[in-house]
Amino acid sequence: SQQGEEDPQALSIQEGENATMNCSYKTSINNLQWYRQNSGRGLVHLILIRSNEREKHSGRLRVTLDTSKKSSSLLITASRAADTASYFCATEGNTGGFKTIFGAGTRLFVKA
Amino acid sequence: GAVVSQHPSRVICKSGTSVKIECRSLDFQATTMFWYRQFPKQSLMLMATSNEGSKATYEQGVEKDKFLINHASLTLSTLTVASAHPEDSSFYICSALVQHLTDTQYFGPGTRLTVL
Repeated sequence: SQQGEEDPQALSIQEGENATMNCSYKTSINNLQWYRQNSGRGLVHLILIRSNEREKHSGRLRVTLDTSKKSSSLLITASRAADTASYFCATEGNTGGFKTIFGAGTRLFVKA
Repeated sequence: GAVVSQHPSRVICKSGTSVKIECRSLDFQATTMFWYRQFPKQSLMLMATSNEGSKATYEQGVEKDKFLINHASLTLSTLTVASAHPEDSSFYICSALVQHLTDTQYFGPGTRLTVL
């Protein structure tokens, strides 16, 4: 079963605004990753945050991780129309070998 | 960065035929590859873990006789959908773990399977 749940399921914003997506998971993890997927395409890895990290930045992306609440957030600042895509969180558990479980995803639409 | 390719990118077939999808790591060796399935507007569901030289490990609910996985070399894993039916129509994505870097998997571009 899927481990990650994402919120919101869909988000529509204006270009220039910030977009925040949240992800919750159920079991202990080694790391959490965020991916982007354009419609009908493969996945693009955005950022990885390890279980001992609380915040990470990459360009316009900011990811936080709260292991006590088993949640993570992805913030995209100054959004652009080209950011329109689906965003997924994925967790790697710390038991039973390497296995990545994806959340349901947030569909982001940035209006120009 | 590491590149993973999939072939074909798109396939349309008649019900009852078998379809083979290839996943290749182009510039690195991958002892472990993963196969995912994604229905429209849904997330990726892990189908199986493919290990070079050994049998694949299937997730609960995935029929191993329906989805045949072969990982014969360090750069190639294949997924064969046996006797495909319309309900098998989906987007199939593979990924490969970079050897010695267990945190990172690289995803292929996906294969869109449509069974008529």
